Amino acid sequence: DAGVTQSPTHLIKTRGQQVTLRCSPKSGHDTVSWYQQALGQGPQFIFQYYEEEERQRGNFPDRFSGHQFPNYSSELNVNALLLGDSALYLCASSPGTGAEAFFGQGTRLTVV
Amino acid sequence: DQQVKQNSPSLSVQEGRISILNCDYTNSMFDYFLWYKKYPAEGPTFLISISSIKDKNEDGRFTVFLNKSAKHLSLHIVPSQPGDSAVYFCAARWSGTASKLTFGTGTRLQVTL
Repeated sequence: DAGVTQSPTHLIKTRGQQVTLRCSPKSGHDTVSWYQQALGQGPQFIFQYYEEEERQRGNFPDRFSGHQFPNYSSELNVNALLLGDSALYLCASSPGTGAEAFFGQGTRLTVV
Repeated sequence: DQQVKQNSPSLSVQEGRISILNCDYTNSMFDYFLWYKKYPAEGPTFLISISSIKDKNEDGRFTVFLNKSAKHLSLHIVPSQPGDSAVYFCAARWSGTASKLTFGTGTRLQVTL
């Protein structure tokens, strides 16, 4: 059983560009959340998708947007990249209303 | 405003002894608390959780204790093993949500021989 998978694992982008990160949830999980982890910090909640709708959102600007597909996979889009967007982006999946979230290995985004 | 705090950035423990990792929270809207372990270049791995209506949960070498009146929880690892060396994150779930988690800043545990 594959766990949560994310692609790509590493990415380098230039300021002002746009980026799309992808996530496939663990089998049987229908809820996908995205987190940003800056160096030396804990993961910070960006938003959560369920039934193809954004259900919860953290304190992130509208430059951060997402999508969930009918097969529960998800994308995170970040527009107008800033240097401060450089971080590890983590995708987590969970079943329905379960509290335990299972994380992928993350995508390391570097903005130069 | 940090709502989940791990005040010890690092902890060193000898193999075989007990490791105790601490976490404090400020928001009464949290209904579940979780511990995750993270190795470099990997995502966090779920370890153990506890509902806010309980005060203890045990799973093998890992036990989590919750003191609601003090808004404090701790993770005990007994006995500690070298493979336990990692960064440990405490996380709290917002009541009424599905796995919307707020994390602490982590404690780096080193288990020495």
